[in-house]
This record gives sequence, structure tokens and C-alpha cells, in this order.
Amino acid sequence: AQTVTQSQPEMSVQEAETVTLSCTYDTSESDYYLFWYKQPPSRQMILVIRQEAYKQQNATENRFSVNFQKAAKSFSLKISDSQLGDAAMYFCAYRFSNTGNQFYFGTGTSLTVIP
Amino acid sequence: GAGVSQSPRYKVAKRGQDVALRCDPISGHVSLFWYQQALGQGPEFLTYFQNEAQLDKSGLPSDRFFAERPEGSVSTLKIQRTQQEDSAVYLCASRLGGGSTGEQYFGPGTRLTVT
Repeated sequence: AQTVTQSQPEMSVQEAETVTLSCTYDTSESDYYLFWYKQPPSRQMILVIRQEAYKQQNATENRFSVNFQKAAKSFSLKISDSQLGDAAMYFCAYRFSNTGNQFYFGTGTSLTVIP
Repeated sequence: GAGVSQSPRYKVAKRGQDVALRCDPISGHVSLFWYQQALGQGPEFLTYFQNEAQLDKSGLPSDRFFAERPEGSVSTLKIQRTQQEDSAVYLCASRLGGGSTGEQYFGPGTRLTVT
């Protein structure tokens, strides 16, 4: 079975500070993509960052970066200089590279940003 | 259009009623996906279309769920004889290509409440 585990149902961070959201996954495949999606109250899933499993270098998108540990099957998201607009549900997900018809999502982490 | 749209945004149905949920993908997108997101959970895959062909329906929870995309653009997810456990947000996503590469763009979802 393909599973994604987000062990932090809720997290909070002070504005301008840094927060890390954790994610582990379980798959026997070797070729896949990993994602972090943001879902604000509007429910629109917004892609935050993606990582190809074959790449050793951690992906970075402005204030968002990941710590990808393939052997440990860990994929954490770091948000630097947190802003009020970062408050949302964050979902970790992956899909296979060769048959990428579906995403496997975690249960999400609700992030609160404290002014 | 500019993004994936779904209608209605909210639907309340009495147990036993049939419902139809509509998805308008991004114009020209070949692939279309439906997900079910229960309260407090991550989205779970229901079905996948490539143009008008339904290539994967492994996630549909029962034969009460039916999806179609007759002209390869707009898709409808139909749920017959709704049950309370069908209450969820139903997300639609589209992708430009028909292969496994490329990003999925999500719509805002339809929140279905079965009373």
C-alpha cells in the first residue's frame, strides 16, 4: 500500500519566523515525484514545491524549501520568513513517474501564522 | 478558462437522491482527474480520463459512482442514491498532457453534504 504520513495535524509559527512541516512516505518504487500543496479555506489546492526523487539537490522556491531524505523516505517543508498568507492546510503528496495518474496525499497539517 | 472550475460549489442532498457534479478543466487539457476529500483527510483518487476515455476508475468507491467526459472536455461525476458517507469535497484536476508528466491543476471543489 502507498501511504503518506503527516504526523503534525496542527502547527503554528510567529510571523517572520521559520517553521518545518514533516512528511514521511512509504513506497517500493524508486522513481517518483514529491509535492507539497497548500489548501487555503477557498479549497483550491495550490502547488507549493515539487521534488524529483532522482535529484539529490533539495528543491527551493523563494521562501519554501524541502529537506528530501530518500533513504529515510522523508520529505519535510521549511517555510522561512512566514507570512500571514501562508496560513492554510498543507498536504504532502507523491505520484509515480511512469504511471503518474494519481496522487497519494497525506492527511494534512494545518498551519497557523501568529501576527 | 483561466483555471479549473467546478459547479456547484456547494450541494446539499437528501439521502437517496442522485447528484451530478460538474468540472470544467483548463481549455486544451487532455487529462482530467476526480478526487474525494473527506473532512480532515487528504484527497483520495477516484478516476482518471484521457480525453473522453476513462482509463482508470479504480478509486470509485461503489457502483453508485459514475463519471463521464463524453467530448473530452467537461466532465460530470454522478452519485446515485447518495449516502451520508458520500459527504465530502469532490475535487477535479486537469493536466495538459496525456502522459505521466506535467502538473495537475486543481479546481476549488464541490462540497457535498448528504442529510
